[in-house]
Amino acid sequence: QKEVEQNSGPLSVPEGAIASLNCTYSDRGSQSFFWYRQYSGKSPELIMFIYSNGDKEDGRFTAQLNKASQYVSLLIRDSQPSDSATYLCAVNPASYDKVIFGPGTSLSVIP
Amino acid sequence: GAVVSQHPSWVICKSGTSVKIECRSLDFQATTMFWYRQFPKQSLMLMATSNEGSKATYEQGVEKDKFLINHASLTLSTLTVTSAHPEDSSFYICSARVGGSSGNTIYFGEGSWLTVV
Repeated sequence: QKEVEQNSGPLSVPEGAIASLNCTYSDRGSQSFFWYRQYSGKSPELIMFIYSNGDKEDGRFTAQLNKASQYVSLLIRDSQPSDSATYLCAVNPASYDKVIFGPGTSLSVIP
Repeated sequence: GAVVSQHPSWVICKSGTSVKIECRSLDFQATTMFWYRQFPKQSLMLMATSNEGSKATYEQGVEKDKFLINHASLTLSTLTVTSAHPEDSSFYICSARVGGSSGNTIYFGEGSWLTVV
């Protein structure tokens, strides 16, 4: 069974703080990892993807991948109220043409 | 990123009628598209995988005769909800797969809100 797990939240952080979102996956051979942001009533929007172990930074966002531990995380620095949304972790398992989505973590940034 | 366009954004139909939702890849060719359904405050649920020029692959529990998928060209997939009922009211989202050397990336359309009255 190919699974992607996330804490459902809600995760609440004060404005300006760092929000840390975590995701674990079951397929050790997974190769591609994605973070999507979904605002209420809207479709998911790709924020970042990461393929290699380590950190990948894009503006206020940093994705971290640890394949040995089978987890991927997303850090949001200087969190803003506009970052309040549900964040979906997605994984492309090895030899599988579908991308598996986690249930999402709801983030609330408090002004 | 790649652009996926979905139409209509909102649709209201009467119970028993059929409604078609279109999903287009605007700046790339998509051999594979995916259709999802999402109820309020719930996770994305994959309904089917749409492959250009062949029959769609449906996930377990999804009625293929009720949710007709056609992927006749490399830029267009359609989902037709036949004999719609109020319980079919949901947010339907399509996505397209863009392949790269390191794997696939999924880009979503804007989504379509279906209300069956």
